[in-house]
Amino acid sequence: KQEVTQIPAALSVPEGENLVLNCSFTDSAIYNLQWFRQDPGKGLTSLLLIQSSQREQTSGRLNASLDKSSGRSTLYIAASQPGDSATYLCAVREETSGSRLTFGEGTQLTVNP
Amino acid sequence: GAVVSQHPSWVICKSGTSVKIECRSLDFQATTMFWYRQFPKQSLMLMATSNEGSKATYEQGVEKDKFLINHASLTLSTLTVTSAHPEDSSFYICSARVHGNRANEQFFGPGTRLTVL
Repeated sequence: KQEVTQIPAALSVPEGENLVLNCSFTDSAIYNLQWFRQDPGKGLTSLLLIQSSQREQTSGRLNASLDKSSGRSTLYIAASQPGDSATYLCAVREETSGSRLTFGEGTQLTVNP
Repeated sequence: GAVVSQHPSWVICKSGTSVKIECRSLDFQATTMFWYRQFPKQSLMLMATSNEGSKATYEQGVEKDKFLINHASLTLSTLTVTSAHPEDSSFYICSARVHGNRANEQFFGPGTRLTVL
């Protein structure tokens, strides 16, 4: 059974810092990995999707990397802003099992002005 | 593009009543829709996967007679919580997968907060 773990569970940083969020998964037979952002009481916003054949994806200040063989992904946020404060979720799509997404428990990020 | 809406955004009901939540893909066709529930400070748990025109596939431990799912068209899926009880209070989120999208990317609705008194 696929398990996804995110570290740290919570992170508080001053504005302007660069930061890294970590995601690990137990079964490397994945189709792709997706990073989401969730604001309190809201749904999910897709940030980046990395196919299993890719090593990284970039969007603005966000960069996500994937090391499929070691079961790890990182989300790098450059020059953090208070508006980045949210919960960040990592999810992997398995190659089998109907291609369901398995989510980590998220990292709650607070960027202080 | 790829917008998913849910209605209602929140609902409060009495114990024993049934509640219907709608999930719509607004600008794309979704052959597959997913229903998740999320408890406070926890991650999303998949409840069921529904394919247009066929019966939903429920995850282990999810009662199909309690959580009725109908996926009648490529743009609409509904989740009905029957005879709701306080323990059913949760945040329900639907998701849709774009038909024909090679990346298999899923897009999520804004969620529905259900409170059962």
